[in-house]
Amino acid sequence: GAGVSQSPRYKVAKRGQDVALRCDPISGHVSLFWYQQALGQGPEFLTYFQNEAQLDKSGLPSDRFFAERPEGSVSTLKIQRTQQEDSAVYLCASSPTTWAQETQYFGPGTRLLVL
Amino acid sequence: AQSVTQLDSHVSVSEGTPVLLRCNYSSSYSPSLFWYVQHPNKGLQLLLKYTSAATLVKGINGFEAEFKKSETSFHLTKPSAHMSDAAEYFCVVSDPHTDKLIFGTGTRLQVFP
Repeated sequence: GAGVSQSPRYKVAKRGQDVALRCDPISGHVSLFWYQQALGQGPEFLTYFQNEAQLDKSGLPSDRFFAERPEGSVSTLKIQRTQQEDSAVYLCASSPTTWAQETQYFGPGTRLLVL
Repeated sequence: AQSVTQLDSHVSVSEGTPVLLRCNYSSSYSPSLFWYVQHPNKGLQLLLKYTSAATLVKGINGFEAEFKKSETSFHLTKPSAHMSDAAEYFCVVSDPHTDKLIFGTGTRLQVFP
């Protein structure tokens, strides 16, 4: 079946531009996560949704980062006034339950480059 | 707080020889531990996970890992490396309160013919 999809796969932005990154989770998955992976590093948690509720946004690096999942399926991560340090791969993952031991299924990521 | 430490940033092996990727964890609770693999320009794929059942966990592609509480380790092994195993491997612990995954810094595995 279809996995997690993300769009765009690549995004180049000029410093100061706003960007929106989309995640389509596996159908029916309750939990949705966003992670940020800087070059040569492991992914780091940004935010977590359980259905449409954003239960944890402790990993968002600044108030320029905003995420939503209004209908409990598709999610959008928005970055306002992008900075060079925002350059990274943004990964989305979904899981069918809220169980901590549950497998998270990852999308291919969006590679953001801010010039 | 939960954390994982991957002891090697790079591991190089010859095709057909054993693979050992080392991981130590720190957790206040009985941990859920995972190994994920990331091939270039591809998404993270789950290799295996430990969830307090059997301490020896078998995963895909011939990989396995053993949970050792006394050593706080969860090392990944494979008896015989294949060229297609070349990738980045992440040891991961799950935060039981928030369900978020906490990743190690990764180990890049190179396999030489």
